[in-house]
Amino acid sequence: GNSVTQMEGPVTLSEEAFLTINCTYTATGYPSLFWYVQYPGEGLQLLLKATKADDKGSNKGFEATYRKETTSFHLEKGSVQVSDSAVYFCALEGSGGSNYKLTFGKGTLLTVNP
Amino acid sequence: DTAVSQTPKYLVTQMGNDKSIKCEQNLGHDTMYWYKQDSKKFLKIMFSYNNKELIINETVPNRFSPKSPDKAHLNLHINSLELGDSAVYFCASSQGPGSYEQYFGPGTRLTVT
Repeated sequence: GNSVTQMEGPVTLSEEAFLTINCTYTATGYPSLFWYVQYPGEGLQLLLKATKADDKGSNKGFEATYRKETTSFHLEKGSVQVSDSAVYFCALEGSGGSNYKLTFGKGTLLTVNP
Repeated sequence: DTAVSQTPKYLVTQMGNDKSIKCEQNLGHDTMYWYKQDSKKFLKIMFSYNNKELIINETVPNRFSPKSPDKAHLNLHINSLELGDSAVYFCASSQGPGSYEQYFGPGTRLTVT
C-alpha cells in the first residue's frame, strides 16, 4: 500500500535559518504529492502540491520538488520566520482506481525562535 | 464566512455513550471526508463521500457511522464510545475525488472518560 515517511521532529530553528523537512514515499503508479501545514489549534491547510515528476510546488517561500527517481518531496524554505512555527505534513494521493485518499506522514513540528 | 465548520469544537463524554459530530461546508464541493488525528498528531482517513455516496471506508470499527444527508453535510455518529476513541476529528471537503485541494475544518476534540 501507499506510505509516507517524513523526518521525525521536533525541529527547532532560529529566525532566518534554512529549513529542510525530508519526505519520502512508497506508492504504485504516479501519485500526487502535497505538503499541508497545521497551525496551533487549527485544521490543516494546503501549503503546496505537485502532481507529476519534476514538478516544483511553491507557496509563501516554501518549495518542494517531486523527485520520482528518489521517491522524495522534501520541503525547503530559505529563511524561516516565527510565524512558520507549525506542524508540517507530507501526503500523497494515489493515482487512478479508488485511490482517492490522502495518506499522511506523521507530521514534523517546527518551532522557530526569534 | 467559515468554509468548513464542525460542531461541537470540544466534546467530553463517558465511555459507553453515543455521540455525533456535525460538519458543514459552504464551498459547493462534491466530496467530504472524516479524518482522525491521534495524540501524536498522526492523521488517518476514516471515510469519504462523493455526492452523498460512500467512496472510502477505511478499517474503522462499525461503531462509527457516517451520514451525508446532502452534499454540504457529513455527520459522524459514534456508538458505545471507548477510551481509545479520544482524538481530534477533522472534517474536510474538496471539489471532487482526486488531486483536488482538501479544505479542513477546525476539528472536534473528543475526550472519552
